[in-house]
Amino acid sequence: GAGVSQSPRYKVAKRGQDVALRCDPISGHVSLFWYQQALGQGPEFLTYFQNEAQLDKSGLPSDRFFAERPEGSVSTLKIQRTQQEDSAVYLCASSLEAATTDTQYFGPGTRLTVL
Amino acid sequence: SQQGEEDPQALSIQEGENATMNCSYKTSINNLQWYRQNSGRGLVHLILIRSNEREKHSGRLRVTLDTSKKSSSLLITASRAADTASYFCATWPYNTNAGKSTFGDGTTLTVKP
Repeated sequence: GAGVSQSPRYKVAKRGQDVALRCDPISGHVSLFWYQQALGQGPEFLTYFQNEAQLDKSGLPSDRFFAERPEGSVSTLKIQRTQQEDSAVYLCASSLEAATTDTQYFGPGTRLTVL
Repeated sequence: SQQGEEDPQALSIQEGENATMNCSYKTSINNLQWYRQNSGRGLVHLILIRSNEREKHSGRLRVTLDTSKKSSSLLITASRAADTASYFCATWPYNTNAGKSTFGDGTTLTVKP
């Protein structure tokens, strides 16, 4: 079946612009995660949803970052007033179970470049 | 700071050789997972080992876990050029209902044909 998809794959934004990144998880997957990956580093946790509930947003770096999953399926990560330090690859992952220890399936990521 | 740290940061070997990567972490865990990431791609799950397990195999992969030393190793046997990628360990803290897993910065493996 289809894996996790993300769009757009690449996004270039001018500093100060708002961006919205979309994640389509695997159908039926309960859990959804967002990560930020800087060049040469491992992914850093941003936030976690169980269905439509955002159970953990402790990794969001500032109040400019906002994520939602209103119907428990597609999720959007929004970054307001983008800054150069927001440049990174944003990865989305989903897992079948509600338990946070299940295997995560990752999307290809959205590479965000802020000029 | 990252909980998991991989060692070495970079590894270059010839095809057919074995590759060993290590991961150290700081706090008690529920499980530890290894992932592979090809350049410009998302992560692919390789293997999960639970805190009460000591060794696990999957094809050419062998993972060990030593909770007393808070470390894990990933062994790839008979490596192939297609194994060239970055490898990350990720840990799930013990006794948490939060979603926060922690990844290390990875080991970049190059397998020369």
